[in-house]
This record gives sequence, structure tokens and C-alpha cells, in this order.
Amino acid sequence: GAVVSQHPSRVICKSGTSVKIECRSLDFQATTMFWYRQFPKQSLMLMATSNEGSKATYEQGVEKDKFLINHASLTLSTLTVTSAHPEDSSFYICSAAAFGQSYEQYFGPGTRLTVT
Amino acid sequence: KQEVTQIPAALSVPEGENLVLNCSFTDSAIYNLQWFRQDPGKGLTSLLLIQSSQREQTSGRLNASLDKSSGRSTLYIAASQPGDSATYLCAVDSGNTPLVFGKGTRLSVIA
Repeated sequence: GAVVSQHPSRVICKSGTSVKIECRSLDFQATTMFWYRQFPKQSLMLMATSNEGSKATYEQGVEKDKFLINHASLTLSTLTVTSAHPEDSSFYICSAAAFGQSYEQYFGPGTRLTVT
Repeated sequence: KQEVTQIPAALSVPEGENLVLNCSFTDSAIYNLQWFRQDPGKGLTSLLLIQSSQREQTSGRLNASLDKSSGRSTLYIAASQPGDSATYLCAVDSGNTPLVFGKGTRLSVIA
């Protein structure tokens, strides 16, 4: 199956700083990438949908100025958590899809963010 | 290593029928199990989450059950509607590792 990587896998940052998370599709071109957040023992929740070359579409309740998403190429999307606070500590997971070829999403391994 | 299997891979039913989607997992040491819906071209929508200590959860016409000891979960959809047509995914949360997803069941409800 298709491979999606995320970097870093874990990050600890201080409150008020910004953190960038990368999501890469390694062996296919992803027309669409999704960003999810999962709090411990809670459901995976969609944050935003990102199509290459266009602005991301954010789900209700997700602050677009706080969670900056860039999908500049067909193999890379980045999520930047700006001015991070402890309540942003979570597991962030991306998925990538090549809609048009199939509807299957391929998930990255996730990034565990801890804000101290 | 946790593995999640969903049966059937695809299902087509007439409108109004009740139906059951099946999910099985190999490692019973789980925190919770989640059911998602995926519409073509869209992100996942969370439907139900069952904690490992629970046996079922209900939301509207949806009922999900969990039998952790046997490694099985079912998603029951009552009085199916064409708007229910989508791919349904189950995913297992085993703690510090990412969710492990099944490959999904593609449901078509025919009017």
C-alpha cells in the first residue's frame, strides 16, 4: 500500500512557540491531504482538508489562524501550530489521498505534540 | 501487531433495510474502538466511539457493539437510507500507537 510519513514523530515545545509538522506521501501524488487531531482516549477528529495549490478547508471550531496548513506540492503538506498552549497537546495525524484513482486514504504514523 | 478486518468489503441493500457491518481485531488489549464514515473525497467523520469497558453505543439509527474478548464489533444501521451510502471504517486504539484501521465496508443504499 501507499506510504505516508510524518515528521517529527514526537515534539515537545514550550508554551507560546510554534511547531511545524510535515506530512509526506512517499510513493504517490496526493491531491488531497487531511489533518486530524486525537486527544487521549478520544475519537479522531478531522481538523481540515487540504487540496494541493489551494487554501485548506477547516472544520467548524478549528482556528485557521492557529493551525496553519500549507499544501504546496503533491507530496507535502505542513501543519503549523502557532503560539502553542498546553491544551494543544495532542496526537496529530495526517492522511493522503489520490482521489480520482481511488477513495482510499493512507494515514501517516502521527505526531505526538506536548506543550509544556 | 494489531490487525483489523472488516467484512463485507462492499454491501448493497434496498432502502429501509436494517443492516450489520462487522469488524474484527486480533489483539483484545484495546482502549477503545471507533466507527467512522467516509464520503467520497471527504475526510473521516466520527460516528461512534466505544470505550473498552463498554459493550455498546447508540446514536440515532446507529448502534455499535463491542465484544472485546472475542475481538469483534458490529455497526448496526436501522432503516437504511440512500444518504447512508458511504464507506464505513472501524479503527482500534491500543494506547500509545496510532489507530489501526480496517479497510472499510463500502455501503450502497438503493432507493
